[in-house]
Amino acid sequence: GAGVSQTPSNKVTEKGKYVELRCDPISGHTALYWYRQSLGQGPEFLIYFQGTGAADDSGLPNDRFFAVRPEGSVSTLKIQRTERGDSAVYLCASSLRGGLSYNEQFFGPGTRLTVL
Amino acid sequence: QQQVKQSPQSLIVQKGGISIINCAYENTAFDYFPWYQQFPGKGPALLIAIRPDVSEKKEGRFTISFNKSAKQFSLHIMDSQPGDSATYFCAAGGNTDKLIFGTGTRLQVFP
Repeated sequence: GAGVSQTPSNKVTEKGKYVELRCDPISGHTALYWYRQSLGQGPEFLIYFQGTGAADDSGLPNDRFFAVRPEGSVSTLKIQRTERGDSAVYLCASSLRGGLSYNEQFFGPGTRLTVL
Repeated sequence: QQQVKQSPQSLIVQKGGISIINCAYENTAFDYFPWYQQFPGKGPALLIAIRPDVSEKKEGRFTISFNKSAKQFSLHIMDSQPGDSATYFCAAGGNTDKLIFGTGTRLQVFP
């Protein structure tokens, strides 16, 4: 009965470095989402997976951002050549089914990324 | 057209009072309007949601009012409690996977 878990909870890195953020969705949930939440803002959609494939990556800000979900469960968000503007809380959510926004999305606690 | 505008940015209410948060949207394709509650250090959690076929939905002390013609919806928290102190986000979705979130309202309920 565990919820969505994300690791690490906090990540501090230097400008230009590569980071990986991990998400473990609720068991049995086929849909997985990544959002980014900047300070004082609402979550902003990044990418949605249905199973192993990225069904919608329209929210990824540029090609430094990439995400995978190779076995249809755990997902990793990868950020290359980090910039100070990438500093935010990265939220992962999962839902039992995907494709329509009214399938309830369950959010993890997020990973706070700080780029110095 | 994808924006969801939320107000106020912050709200202070006395215990037992009514908290009201408003949201407006532009895209008429939206047909799902959830409200999320977020405590510090936690992810957002679904509080209550409405589809546009009804004008009001109530769950306990929480009510969503929906005005389709005005493209506005609001969250009312009756008998507000200190434990309701959190940040509230409205959101909108449609025949797509993604939710579009408002900018959030920080609610503080004082005893």
